[in-house]
Amino acid sequence: GAVVSQHPSWVICKSGTSVKIECRSLDFQATTMFWYRQFPKQSLMLMATSNEGSKATYEQGVEKDKFLINHASLTLSTLTVTSAHPEDSSFYICSASRGRGNTIYFGEGSWLTVV
Amino acid sequence: EDKVVQSPLSLVVHEGDTVTLNCSYEVTNFRSLLWYKQEKKAPTFLFMLTSSGIEKKSGRLSSILDKKELFSILNITATQTGDSAIYLCAVELLGTNAGKSTFGDGTTLTVKP
Repeated sequence: GAVVSQHPSWVICKSGTSVKIECRSLDFQATTMFWYRQFPKQSLMLMATSNEGSKATYEQGVEKDKFLINHASLTLSTLTVTSAHPEDSSFYICSASRGRGNTIYFGEGSWLTVV
Repeated sequence: EDKVVQSPLSLVVHEGDTVTLNCSYEVTNFRSLLWYKQEKKAPTFLFMLTSSGIEKKSGRLSSILDKKELFSILNITATQTGDSAIYLCAVELLGTNAGKSTFGDGTTLTVKP
């Protein structure tokens, strides 16, 4: 079964609204989770590192005020796309690891379509 | 800048063929190299490689790492239509949070009946 769970699997929202995506580690505690986005026929691009109890670390070029990340517990990180625009439409995936040297697990991914 | 380069970008073969997918990398502090298979949703883990020259096998898939030449290959023998997917190579770095990875662009494999 899934080790990392993401919700929702897909969401459609109107331009200007905000959307929250959840990422949960199901049977382990993850002090760190990662958020990626993937455009069609492209690879995964790391957006940010989500750190439990502290601020997320964003990759260059990713707007932290637009992509809000909250990691309030050891099993849950959330990504909120604020004031969404059609160009934010993408596949968003989270990942987590049990620790260094261990397998990295991905969530099922969330398709976001902004209309 | 850390870089992971996969080749070819796409490949079309027929069932029964053997394919070799390539992944080369230039990174500052290598920890491990990972291969994933991605179909319609999120990537599924195939292999994690940390040492040179040790082949990892899982059924018809195998992979090996060369840390001197900075590359890895993923072999698939006797391909089946179910092997059609995007194969992603990623490098995990030392000195970073566990699990932080840089991905290559992927190889899209199409296996025709």
